[in-house]
Amino acid sequence: NAGVTQTPKFQVLKTGQSMTLQCAQDMNHEYMSWYRQDPGMGLRLIHYSVGAGITDQGEVPNGYNVSRSTTEDFPLRLLSAAPSQTSVYFCASSYSAGADTQYFGPGTRLTVL
Amino acid sequence: GEDVEQSLFLSVREGDSSVINCTYTDSSSTYLYWYKQEPGAGLQLLTYIFSNMDMKQDQRLTVLLNKKDKHLSLRIADTQTGDSAIYFCAESIGGRADGLTFGKGTHLIIQP
Repeated sequence: NAGVTQTPKFQVLKTGQSMTLQCAQDMNHEYMSWYRQDPGMGLRLIHYSVGAGITDQGEVPNGYNVSRSTTEDFPLRLLSAAPSQTSVYFCASSYSAGADTQYFGPGTRLTVL
Repeated sequence: GEDVEQSLFLSVREGDSSVINCTYTDSSSTYLYWYKQEPGAGLQLLTYIFSNMDMKQDQRLTVLLNKKDKHLSLRIADTQTGDSAIYFCAESIGGRADGLTFGKGTHLIIQP
């Protein structure tokens, strides 16, 4: 199993550009989520999904869209990037919501100029 | 509301024990976790404890949970240079889908 994979590892955008951060898992997990990590702020939940076709907002959803068309993939879209979205983004998955083990991807480091 | 608090830094000598502390506010927490993050890397689940347990031991790691005081600690015995990392405490509530609530992380610094 590859576990949770994320691409790209690094990305630099200009303000106003759009992009999609990719996340995939091969563990047949129903639950997937996106977090952002900022210095001194810990990790904060952006969006989550309890299964294909179902998504919901987390603590800091503004400026981000998600969709879940398959169990394996959970892309995160930035429609118009802003400097405030400069952060490290982590995708995570688990068998179900609130399950005992969440698996994290290696992260995407995004800089918005 | 949910809040998880940790001190930002801990410095220990190599070979000593490290004790990283965490407090949380949500009494309905079901699982409490410790994650490790090395520089430039993702989060690695170290261990977790179910809320009806007081203690869990796994090799060099000992987790203690005081549910009355909402206090969680991680003890690392015989601390090594490879233990240098940021340690995150996190909580979740069983059945709830809105993810984990993380503390801000404790930087563990190992002195030779």
